[in-house]
Amino acid sequence: QLQLQESGPALLKPSETLSLTCTGSGGSIGGDLHYWGWIRQSPGKGLEWIASIHHKDGTFYNPSLKRRVTVSLDTPKNQFSLKMTSVVAADTAIYYCARDYGDYGAGFNWFDSWGQGMLVTVSS
Amino acid sequence: SYVLTQPPSVSVAPGQTAKITCGGNRIGNKVVHWYQQKSGQAPVLVIYFDGDRPSGIPERFSASSSGNMATLTISRVEAGDEADYHCQVWDSSSDQGVFGGGTKLTVL
Repeated sequence: QLQLQESGPALLKPSETLSLTCTGSGGSIGGDLHYWGWIRQSPGKGLEWIASIHHKDGTFYNPSLKRRVTVSLDTPKNQFSLKMTSVVAADTAIYYCARDYGDYGAGFNWFDSWGQGMLVTVSS
Repeated sequence: SYVLTQPPSVSVAPGQTAKITCGGNRIGNKVVHWYQQKSGQAPVLVIYFDGDRPSGIPERFSASSSGNMATLTISRVEAGDEADYHCQVWDSSSDQGVFGGGTKLTVL
């Protein structure tokens, strides 16, 4: 059964770049069936979708974050990554990676397997 | 952008039925999914494609959607169902995933 694990720096200063990696085990990242997504949750708040990527069908970004966010896939390493530039305190959140079963053309997607999440704090 | 509205909290006694709503413009025309998030844990998918349950999710969890409201129903509520519940859709008009603000279910 696929397991996902986020990794990266936990503490950033304002204006720095957030870089997180999600590593899969027990299953393959890539393939035609799934997208791979990033979601975050600010302390005490709801979930916010950041982006989802497919190895052939491209990438979808949250319009409110698109200017600062890049996601990428590294299928040989069984990993996918998130980069967010110019972070501010409001980017402090738990960042989750997840498997995204999406058919965007048909108008749906859901997240059926999640990493445990990683708290990233932005503070001077 | 598309907005999903959930009540902040719902309380129910053990053995009773909990209904958690998710409001959105014509949400009945969208495919709705629901996640359970227990304290300090990652979300877990409990309902997908409006009403299907992943393997391992009890039949006590069901969902429906019509008009401007989707509803997650938990029958015969147990103490272990206490969690935050989030609804989610894909908004094709803006090409983005959208989550509701989450509802805290308290089992009295």
